[in-house]
Order: sequence, then structure tokens, then C-alpha cells
Amino acid sequence: GQQLNQSPQSMFIQEGEDVSMNCTSSSIFNTWLWYKQDPGEGPVLLIALYKAGELTSNGRLTAQFGITRKDSFLNISASIPSDVGIYFCAGDLNFGNEKLTFGTGTRLTIIP
Amino acid sequence: DTGVSQDPRHKITKRGQNVTFRCDPISEHNRLYWYRQTLGQGPEFLTYFQNEAQLEKSRLLSDRFSAERPKGSFSTLEIQRTEQGDSAMYLCASSVAGGSAEQFFGPGTRLTVL
Repeated sequence: GQQLNQSPQSMFIQEGEDVSMNCTSSSIFNTWLWYKQDPGEGPVLLIALYKAGELTSNGRLTAQFGITRKDSFLNISASIPSDVGIYFCAGDLNFGNEKLTFGTGTRLTIIP
Repeated sequence: DTGVSQDPRHKITKRGQNVTFRCDPISEHNRLYWYRQTLGQGPEFLTYFQNEAQLEKSRLLSDRFSAERPKGSFSTLEIQRTEQGDSAMYLCASSVAGGSAEQFFGPGTRLTVL
């Protein structure tokens, strides 16, 4: 099935650094969501975006809904050890809360 | 606040056996989704229910896969005659119909087919 393209695939950063990642699609999505997944667990919802151009924050996390509706961005400021994990973007083609199409993931590792 | 729960968390089976997984959604959520996640990939949609009605099942991987939600509460996903390629994490999510697109996931069931 279709998957959204995320970049970078992996990131190695030091604690305290800021992180940026993005997600692109060939299709227009009406909703973008960002999830974080720890090993052996299900994805946990971080941020949901509903409007083109929207910028939404959740603590140290900020996400943006691209104005073309074909992309989204996630920034993490002042990274801490618990930020380690895999970050997935997901898009919903409809407003109607139906199936999500997920990205390929960005793996974040913090170097001691 | 009870989240989505899944049972079992891990299942090891031999090729050819049938397996069944259970998902209990968040209590006030009337939509329930099943996804499959293979190593190194994002979750892939399989099917979803609104109450007891299965609204889309075209993405179920083959006729060996079936899902039910008989009373509109918990759901089961069955895989018949398992194959090694069925080894994956099976994730369940729930949401409120007509509301936001936010889906909340359970911890998943990890299936290993030997």
C-alpha cells in the first residue's frame, strides 16, 4: 500500500539539540497527524493538524500542515533522552475520520 | 481513563494454524480500526468498523483474514492457515465517528509464525 515519504530516515543528535523532520506525499491530505512509537509498543498520538498552513504546538513539539496539503513538518526543541523513538506522520484523505496512511518513519537516537 | 487494549501481546504459532486477536477500544469510541506493521515500516490499514458495521475490508490482505465486531464493542481479527509472511505487529486503534481524525492505538499483538 501507499506510504508517505519521511525524511530523514534516521537522526543522531546530542541531548539539547533541536530536531526537524518532514513528511511528503503525492496526494493531498485533509488531516495530518504525528505519532511516536517506542519499541514493542503502539504509536502514541503527538499532534493533529486540520487546516492548511496550521501551526500547532504540544510542549516542545511543533508541527505544521503544509500549504500545498502535500506535506507536514515536525520540530522538537531542546531534545531529551525520552524523545528517542520512531516518529511517524500519518495522513487522512477525508475529513471523515477514516483510514490513515502512514509514513516510513524517522528514527531518532540521542548520542550521550 | 482506560486506553485501547489488545490481547494477547505476543503470539507464536506454527505455519498453518489459525490465530485470533482481540481488541477492546476506548469505551466511548464507536470506530475501531485494524492495522498491520512489519519491521521497519509504518502501520498499514487493514479494515475498520463503525459500531458493528464493517465499513471497509478491501485492504484485508487475503481471504484468510477476517474481522468481526459483533456487538459494536470489542473486535477480533482472525488469520486462518497462517503463513510465515503473516509475522508482524497487528495494531488496533479507536476513534469517535464524525469527530476529529485522531485515532488512538493499542499496544499491539506481535505475531510470529514459525
